[in-house]
Formats: sequence, structure tokens, C-alpha cells
Amino acid sequence: AQKVTQAQTEISVVEKEDVTLDCVYETRDTTYYLFWYKQPPSGELVFLIRRNSFDEQNEISGRYSWNFQKSTSSFNFTITASQVVDSAVYFCALRGVGNEKLTFGTGTRLTIIP
Amino acid sequence: GAVVSQHPSRVICKSGTSVKIECRSLDFQATTMFWYRQFPKKSLMLMATSNEGSKATYEQGVEKDKFLINHASLTLSTLTVTSAHPEDSSFYICSAQRGYEQYFGPGTRLTVT
Repeated sequence: AQKVTQAQTEISVVEKEDVTLDCVYETRDTTYYLFWYKQPPSGELVFLIRRNSFDEQNEISGRYSWNFQKSTSSFNFTITASQVVDSAVYFCALRGVGNEKLTFGTGTRLTIIP
Repeated sequence: GAVVSQHPSRVICKSGTSVKIECRSLDFQATTMFWYRQFPKKSLMLMATSNEGSKATYEQGVEKDKFLINHASLTLSTLTVTSAHPEDSSFYICSAQRGYEQYFGPGTRLTVT
């Protein structure tokens, strides 16, 4: 069975601070994909990143960065110099190869205080 | 590319009536689409997997006679909530599979009065 845990239910930080959202996963698959999605108040899910289990390189995209650590089954997401527009619910998700279903974590509600 | 639309975005219906929600992949063909339900401040719960030309596969605990899914073409899947009740009020989100990715629609907020 697959499981994704986002222990942080809600986080509030002051604008321009850095913030890290944690994601821990469980799977028996040797090959799998990890995802992060952003859900702003409008409700639409916005794809942020997909990471293959064989690729442990960290990724940086502008103010966003992701740290994939297979040894600890974690795929954490960091926003540097946070902005009010970053306020949203962020979901981490997992999918095995050959299994199209996405398993979502419970989400972290991030509030950036101006 | 990879745009998925949903219609309607919001719907209010009376208890006992049925409501249909459409999910369309606008610029790609999707043999597989998914329907999710999201309660307020909760995660997405997969309801069913919709495959073009075949019956949908429902997740455990989801009533297939209550939530009818039809994947009539490679760009359209519909979810019909039959004999809706207030407890069916929720945010329904569809997604369409393309390659390794699922592309999500903007969601439909259903309110049953």
C-alpha cells in the first residue's frame, strides 16, 4: 500500500521568510513518481514538479526547491523569500509505475503574512 | 498544452435531483480520466478511474449507482450524481492522464439544498 504523510497541517510565515513543507512517503514499489501540487483558493490544482525515484538530484526552480532523500523517504519542498501569492494548500503525491492512481497527502495550508 | 476543463464550475441543485458534471481534455486525448472528491479543508479522495470505452473502476466505498461515470470519447468524461442529497455537497475535481502526468480540471462545487 502507498501512503503519503504531510505532518504539517498549517504553517504561517511572514513574507520574505523561507519555509519548508515536509513530505514523507511509503511504497513497496522500486520505481515510483513523486509530485507536488499547489491548490490556491480558486481550487484548481497546479502542477509544480514530478520526480522519478531514480533521480535523487535536488531541483531548483526560481524560488522553489525540492529535496528528495530516498534514504529517509522524504520529498521536501522549500520556498525561499516567500510571497503572499504563495499562500495556498500544497499537496504531495505519489504514484507507482504501472499504477496510474495518485496517492495524495493530506496537504499543508501555507499562509504568508504580509 | 494539456488543458482540462470542467463544466459547470458551480451548481446548486435540490435534494433528490440529479446533476451532471463534464470533464473535457481540450488539447489532448485521454484514454484515462479520474474523478476526485474533496471535502472542505481535506485532501483529494479518488472516487473512480474512467476509461474510454469501458466501465469505470470505482474505489472501495464509492457507490457506483449513485455516481455514474461515462467516458464517451477520448476527450470527455461525465460524472452524474443521481438523487443528490445534502451530504453529496462537495468539490469534485477531474483529471486526465497524458503520459506520466495527470492534468487537473478547475473543479466543480456542488451544493445540494
